[in-house]
Amino acid sequence: KNQVEQSPQSLIILEGKNCTLQCNYTVSPFSNLRWYKQDTGRGPVSLTIMTFSENTKSNGRYTATLDADTKQSSLHITASQLSDSASYICVVSANDMRFGAGTRLTVKP
Amino acid sequence: NAGVTQTPKFQVLKTGQSMTLQCAQDMNHNSMYWYRQDPGMGLRLIYYSASEGTTDKGEVPNGYNVSRLNKREFSLRLESAAPSQTSVYFCASTSLASSYNEQFFGPGTRLTVL
Repeated sequence: KNQVEQSPQSLIILEGKNCTLQCNYTVSPFSNLRWYKQDTGRGPVSLTIMTFSENTKSNGRYTATLDADTKQSSLHITASQLSDSASYICVVSANDMRFGAGTRLTVKP
Repeated sequence: NAGVTQTPKFQVLKTGQSMTLQCAQDMNHNSMYWYRQDPGMGLRLIYYSASEGTTDKGEVPNGYNVSRLNKREFSLRLESAAPSQTSVYFCASTSLASSYNEQFFGPGTRLTVL
């Protein structure tokens, strides 16, 4: 069983709408949690990184939250744009890095 | 800066053939990594090199070898390709000076083994 579970697997929304992606993890001990954006045919690019003591971090229209007690994180995208269409990957670092399988987001006009 | 570059972008092999995937970074990073990405699964670490001259196995090293040629370059070799090695391969690098050990990824190599 993967130690980092993401939901949903895929999501389709209309341009301008908001959405929230979820990440649950069992990795322990915990060092930091990152969200990456991966465009089709490209490598992942970092959006946010949070340590144990941080419970929210923003990067433009992207806001990540972290609840280290429940081992849950979310990535909220505000006012979605067509360019937000991508896979979003949650990565949890302990002694090594554990990658979630990603959520495939499609933003339609 | 080009960041992390990988060659080739695409490759088709027959079972049993060998090939080397090349990776280079121009960010003066100490650590470099090779991952594979398969549908429905997270990236999995094949090998990594914490510093020039050292290499270590990751989660799925079987069937692969690596060489840290110098600080810039880290290659991945498949000696006898198998269909199970059909995947997208990503190289990444990170600086020890980074407090979060943020990894920077290359664009990937899509490999198909027939």
